[in-house]
Amino acid sequence: DARVTQTPRHKVTEMGQEVTMRCQPILGHNTVFWYRQTMMQGLELLAYFRNRAPLDDSGMPKDRFSAEMPDATLATLKIQPSEPRDSAVYFCASGFGRETQYFGPGTRLLVL
Amino acid sequence: KQEVTQIPAALSVPEGENLVLNCSFTDSAIYNLQWFRQDPGKGLTSLLLIQSSQREQTSGRLNASLDKSSGRSTLYIAASQPGDSATYLCAVKPAAAGNKLTFGGGTRVLVKP
Repeated sequence: DARVTQTPRHKVTEMGQEVTMRCQPILGHNTVFWYRQTMMQGLELLAYFRNRAPLDDSGMPKDRFSAEMPDATLATLKIQPSEPRDSAVYFCASGFGRETQYFGPGTRLLVL
Repeated sequence: KQEVTQIPAALSVPEGENLVLNCSFTDSAIYNLQWFRQDPGKGLTSLLLIQSSQREQTSGRLNASLDKSSGRSTLYIAASQPGDSATYLCAVKPAAAGNKLTFGGGTRVLVKP
């Protein structure tokens, strides 16, 4: 049963610390997406990759956020330095071409 | 800029009643529309995907319709069950190149036994 996996599932950190979230997309998928979900803003696209190349990161605060795909089996989202307003659930999703996206279980981040 | 709206934000029905969930979008130039289910503390599960050329899609007790010209989609869930309690989100993908999904705010559904 192919699934998107995300680690860690929960993260509590202090303001100013670096946070790294990891995602393993479904094998064979060529698109990877990072979303953020908050009560106030709902689901927002932060960045997405196709064939490991970043195509759109316009939703991401560039000064503190960075997203990479070191290889086809790993995508990372980093926040440095973290701030309380970054507290949210971060979802990774993968897909093939323009079809259905499959979501991971999310990383619940709390920045104190 | 595409905007997706889901009304109502929350809905409570007795078990057995049919559910009708609404989604509206402002830009009719879409590639497809997708309905997702989200359980508390979990990720999103795709329920139905309707291509822009289609009028509806069905899966079991679920039926989704699409009226692209009026910017509306409706998700029908027949004979609701307590296990249908969840948040339902719709999302649209633009006809232009790209994979950006724009999500609605969701409708939180409670089916009471």
